Amino acid sequence: SQTIHQWPATLVQPVGSPLSLECTVEGTSNPNLYWYRQAAGRGLQLLFYSVGIGQISSEVPQNLSASRPQDRQFILSSKKLLLSDSGFYLCAWSVDQPRREKLFFGSGTQLSVL
Amino acid sequence: AQKITQTQPGMFVQEKEAVTLDCTYDTSDPSYGLFWYKQPSSGEMIFLIYQGSYDQQNATEGRYSLNFQKARKSANLVISASQLGDSAMYFCAMREGSYYNQGGKLIFGQGTELSVKP
Repeated sequence: SQTIHQWPATLVQPVGSPLSLECTVEGTSNPNLYWYRQAAGRGLQLLFYSVGIGQISSEVPQNLSASRPQDRQFILSSKKLLLSDSGFYLCAWSVDQPRREKLFFGSGTQLSVL
Repeated sequence: AQKITQTQPGMFVQEKEAVTLDCTYDTSDPSYGLFWYKQPSSGEMIFLIYQGSYDQQNATEGRYSLNFQKARKSANLVISASQLGDSAMYFCAMREGSYYNQGGKLIFGQGTELSVKP
């Protein structure tokens, strides 16, 4: 069965520090991978998605970046965190299935930038 | 422009009663999919139900059903026989398009917080 691992679960970082959140998927090959962010009490905002190794699409211009060094690994990074980067970050995966493609989410990372 | 609208920030329902969570959407694409997810306080997102724009019948999954009214562009979630464990945030989401490799552009609404009273 497929599983998705996301870590760390919580993170407290000072403003201006770097960030690296990692997500890996097991039990499937060539998944589509996504990073979403959820501000407190709000819906999910798509940040990045990837349909293959090295292929990254950015949905929102910001100081975050994403990379996909391996088929089932997706990394969210920042060189210098801002206060506005605080939020709940969710990694997700799916497999191609036009219209019907549903996302499976990781357990999330609560990031607090102080 | 807002593509997914959930107008109920919070809802209360008595245990064992049914509840309807509203969702309206906006798209000009004739091919799209509609999803509902549940997010308990733990933060995980749990897929509940899916409705395709070409599906002839309303989707059902156990106690969950989707009241799909295409002309009105609404996709309301109905939870029958509410349980205490149903207390959570509920998100409506939509994906447009019918082509492979479009990526998971699942657009989410703002959510409705459901509280089930004993």
